[in-house]
Amino acid sequence: ETGVTQSPTHLIKTRGQQVTLRCSSQSGHNTVSWYQQALGQGPQFIFQYYREEENGRGNFPPRFSGLQFPNYSSELNVNALELDDSALYLCASSLGGASGGTGELFFGEGSRLTVL
Amino acid sequence: AQTVTQSQPEMSVQEAETVTLSCTYDTSESDYYLFWYKQPPSRQMILVIRQEAYKQQNATENRFSVNFQKAAKSFSLKISDSQLGDAAMYFCAYRSGITSSNTGKLIFGQGTTLQVKP
Repeated sequence: ETGVTQSPTHLIKTRGQQVTLRCSSQSGHNTVSWYQQALGQGPQFIFQYYREEENGRGNFPPRFSGLQFPNYSSELNVNALELDDSALYLCASSLGGASGGTGELFFGEGSRLTVL
Repeated sequence: AQTVTQSQPEMSVQEAETVTLSCTYDTSESDYYLFWYKQPPSRQMILVIRQEAYKQQNATENRFSVNFQKAAKSFSLKISDSQLGDAAMYFCAYRSGITSSNTGKLIFGQGTTLQVKP
């Protein structure tokens, strides 16, 4: 059973650029969610995908967007990067379905984004 | 809106001793779940223990146990026989029940950094 994997592990971008982060969910998991974790803070929910559709979103602007593919893998895209976007981006997968169910969330090790 | 508060930014414990991490939350919901996650320097968030709000019995997982006080909206984590490998950042988290429209999102506290001294 493969766990949640994320790529890249580290990346550096400049302000105004665009970035794509990738996540492969744990085998059999149909729900993927993304979190932003600023240094020394708790993770903040960005959005969740179920059946290739966004079905929940946190307080993030539209320049944060995502995709979920038929194999349940997912991408997080951030356009027009700002300095405050520097953070660890965590992906989590679960068997929760649209309501999240009672399924445990399994997290990846995250992608560390630095915006200069 | 639901909130989670961890008022202890840092805690330390001697190896083999017991430590308690505090967490309070605010919600008007009756159906929800509470979690403690551990995040070591490797960054991967690992589930330590979970508690369903409808269960009165406190959850336990080996050396980890919780003190769930629903009326007080308090959810503390006790680590017994602390080990060096317990050193990490610990997050308390809340999730609405499946009857809610809030999907499966987790609401995290600010975290407590636990240091274990040999």
